[in-house]
Amino acid sequence: EVQLVESGGGLVQPGRSLKLSCAASGFTFSNYYMAWVRQAPKKGLEWVATISTSGSRTYYPDSVKGRFTISRDNAKSSLYLQMNSLKSEDTATYYCARHGATVVTGDVMDAWGQGASVTVSS
Amino acid sequence: DIQMTQSPASLSASLGETVSIECLASEDIYSNLAWYQQKPGKSPQLLIYYASSLQDGVPSRFSGSESGTQYSLEINSLQPEDEGDYFCQQSYKFPLTFGSGTKLEIK
Repeated sequence: EVQLVESGGGLVQPGRSLKLSCAASGFTFSNYYMAWVRQAPKKGLEWVATISTSGSRTYYPDSVKGRFTISRDNAKSSLYLQMNSLKSEDTATYYCARHGATVVTGDVMDAWGQGASVTVSS
Repeated sequence: DIQMTQSPASLSASLGETVSIECLASEDIYSNLAWYQQKPGKSPQLLIYYASSLQDGVPSRFSGSESGTQYSLEINSLQPEDEGDYFCQQSYKFPLTFGSGTKLEIK
């Protein structure tokens, strides 16, 4: 069974940093692109970052580029999101998600974690 | 960036009815459209990918279609467990973008 378990969420002051982790199991982690997707309270979904299988390629939307860094450790089947210079608008539940494995599912998220809550407030 | 305009924002329907949710892409995304369901308090789950392909384990009462840059999710024979939020997502190019969501209430 595919499992993605996020950790590291919490309350943080504006301008500070926080690092999220995601432990993956039930599949060969190193074979999949991975992503972070967030959801502000009572709002829709926003893609935050994607990383290639080796970690050599990363992708971000403009809203977090330069502040957030996605990384992975294939030996530990773990995904990370380093969030710096946090703003109140970064307050959200952050989901770890697996990209699909085929040409037509490659940029679709076919497995999701339960989410980690991040609150940015003074 | 590709904008995904989703409608309606909410709808209410009775058990056994059929409902449709739409997503309009701001440019051609060549069928690279996915639908997700998010039940209350849960994480999103993939329903449909490549506009009309059903994800493994998803009931056949869910179906997807397309017409140009307009994509539709149809749910037949509504069941109580279908209540929740539905989102479309374009997977054609980065940045990946989602529709604003549709809240489905079962009367």
